[in-house]
Amino acid sequence: QSALTQPASVSGSPGQSITISCTGTSSDVGGNYYVSWYQQHPGKAPKLIIYDVSNRPSGVSNRFSGSKSGNTASLTISGLQAEDEADYYCSSYTSSSTWVFGGGTKLTVL
Amino acid sequence: EVQLVESGGGLVQPGGSLRLSCAASGFTFSDYWMHWVRQAPGKGLVWVARIYSDGSSTIYADSVKGRFTISRDNAKNTLYLQMNSLRAEDTAVYYCARDSHYRQDLWGQGTLVTVSS
Repeated sequence: QSALTQPASVSGSPGQSITISCTGTSSDVGGNYYVSWYQQHPGKAPKLIIYDVSNRPSGVSNRFSGSKSGNTASLTISGLQAEDEADYYCSSYTSSSTWVFGGGTKLTVL
Repeated sequence: EVQLVESGGGLVQPGGSLRLSCAASGFTFSDYWMHWVRQAPGKGLVWVARIYSDGSSTIYADSVKGRFTISRDNAKNTLYLQMNSLRAEDTAVYYCARDSHYRQDLWGQGTLVTVSS
């Protein structure tokens, strides 16, 4: 199972919006709605921020939103804040009953 | 407090074995599927294995199939990962994670496994 494709890095200024893409295949991202996004700060464990393509767990800021079109999912962060600087990973359940993560995207807040 | 705490990591020689543990607390462990996910130094997350809540079914990534075994003891609220025939490329931080309807909603802090001679 190949990793989902994410841009290696994105950047934005405080207050701006950014979008991170996550491209897979019809066997994973395009084949179900079990797409999740995780935020990971350096030296810390990942934290779930979006599940089932577009749902936010309790306690996660509504500045984080998710969507999907075909084989590509997207994470949008609006109103960028300094604390949003982190690595972001997408994940999808697959038709083989396994899970696959994206390669990760490093977000820099300028 | 709801948490997962991994242990058992360390330095092991190529070809060696290691068993990781993940102690769960603050929730009904036996109600949840569980996963192991790893992250090589400076690299991304890689899913390793999943086990059903009652232990009746397991599934593995191709990279570890036949070498790693995921198991659990619901009486001890503990998840395990038995790792055999270890290779340099297995060097990583290993996280246990709770599954909530096909998403990993709770993660431990991770334990580092280093495979080197």
